[in-house]
Amino acid sequence: AQSVTQPDIHITVSEGASLELRCNYSYGATPYLFWYVQSPGQGLQLLLKYFSGDTLVQGIKGFEAEFKRSQSSFNLRKPSVHWSDAAEYFCAVGARAAGNKLTFGGGTRVLVKP
Amino acid sequence: GAGVSQSPSNKVTEKGKDVELRCDPISGHTALYWYRQSLGQGLEFLIYFQGNSAPDKSGLPSDRFSAERTGGSVSTLTIQRTQQEDSAVYLCASRTGTPGGETQYFGPGTRLLVL
Repeated sequence: AQSVTQPDIHITVSEGASLELRCNYSYGATPYLFWYVQSPGQGLQLLLKYFSGDTLVQGIKGFEAEFKRSQSSFNLRKPSVHWSDAAEYFCAVGARAAGNKLTFGGGTRVLVKP
Repeated sequence: GAGVSQSPSNKVTEKGKDVELRCDPISGHTALYWYRQSLGQGLEFLIYFQGNSAPDKSGLPSDRFSAERTGGSVSTLTIQRTQQEDSAVYLCASRTGTPGGETQYFGPGTRLLVL
């Protein structure tokens, strides 16, 4: 069975500082990996995804993530956060063999200090 | 083009009543998913439709929950005899269903409150 762990429930970061959100997954083969962002009262917006190939993937809004098979991790980074990045971030794993249904981590809520 | 739409945006109901939640996927998307987001359980998969195949109902929490997809497009999630623990945001997502089309696009959700 698939599982996803986001160890940090809350992170507070100053505007302009760098941000890293951790994600660890459990799956027998190489899964599809996603990061979604959810602003208050909104649905989920895709930031980036990894299916295969280059392990460093670029997404929207200046985000990137790196797939590390040896660590079963897919951490999300942004070099310089903006106040508008305050939101909740979800890491998710899917697998074609399982109909691509997503298993989500518990989410990390990011607060940006001015 | 239009994204995934869901209706109603908000629904307040009394315990024991039935509710229907609607999802309109992106045009041409053959795969459709329902998820539930609640404070206690986080985001969890409920049910998955792919084309004309039998749906994957493995995530439905009880037999009070059911869903159908008519004409391969619109889907309705029905909760019978609602309970307070059904209060949550119900999210629908769709994807193309073709190889390379693994990304799911989410609707804004229906916020359900059971009193």
